[in-house]
Amino acid sequence: NAGVTQTPKFQVLKTGQSMTLQCAQDMNHNSMYWYRQDPGMGLRLIYYSASEGTTDKGEVPNGYNVSRLNKREFSLRLESAAPSQTSVYFCASTREWGTEAFFGQGTRLTVV
Amino acid sequence: AQSVTQPDIHITVSEGASLELRCNYSYGATPYLFWYVQSPGQGLQLLLKYFSGDTLVQGIKGFEAEFKRSQSSFNLRKPSVHWSDAAEYFCAVGVNTGNQFYFGTGTSLTVIP
Repeated sequence: NAGVTQTPKFQVLKTGQSMTLQCAQDMNHNSMYWYRQDPGMGLRLIYYSASEGTTDKGEVPNGYNVSRLNKREFSLRLESAAPSQTSVYFCASTREWGTEAFFGQGTRLTVV
Repeated sequence: AQSVTQPDIHITVSEGASLELRCNYSYGATPYLFWYVQSPGQGLQLLLKYFSGDTLVQGIKGFEAEFKRSQSSFNLRKPSVHWSDAAEYFCAVGVNTGNQFYFGTGTSLTVIP
């Protein structure tokens, strides 16, 4: 069972570069999420997609955009990377409200 | 606004000792509550969850948690800690607005022999 798959696992960007983090789930889940994890801050919600065709901002959306390409895939784009976006990014999915979230293995992004 | 507070940033316990990790939440209604564990360099794994019913819930790896509505708390416990329990633990709240999850800042657990 693949579950939630994130690519890439590691990435180094220069300030101002752009990139897209990919996330796919094979569990037929309705909702998908992007979080960033920073030391002492826990996981903070960047964007979420409650269902296919919808996306909404979370706690820290500035500097990011998302696309819910289809039910399986939810991508996160950094248009112009900044050092403050150095973090570990996690994608997650849930079947519906109240059910547990399944997480990918994370993407460690460094912006220099 | 919803929030989750884990007041202990770091806890150290001896192997075999009991453990309690604290979690308090702020939410207008009774939320869905979760505890996740994260080993170094890994994603998050669900330990247990509370939706309704019995306020004492059992999870994997010998963990349990108790929901106390009056205290807005959902503390995680384990009677006897093993060295393999060393990890970061996150409490989370599930809210029905857009199926969002809010996480606490985490508690790092060190287990000493």
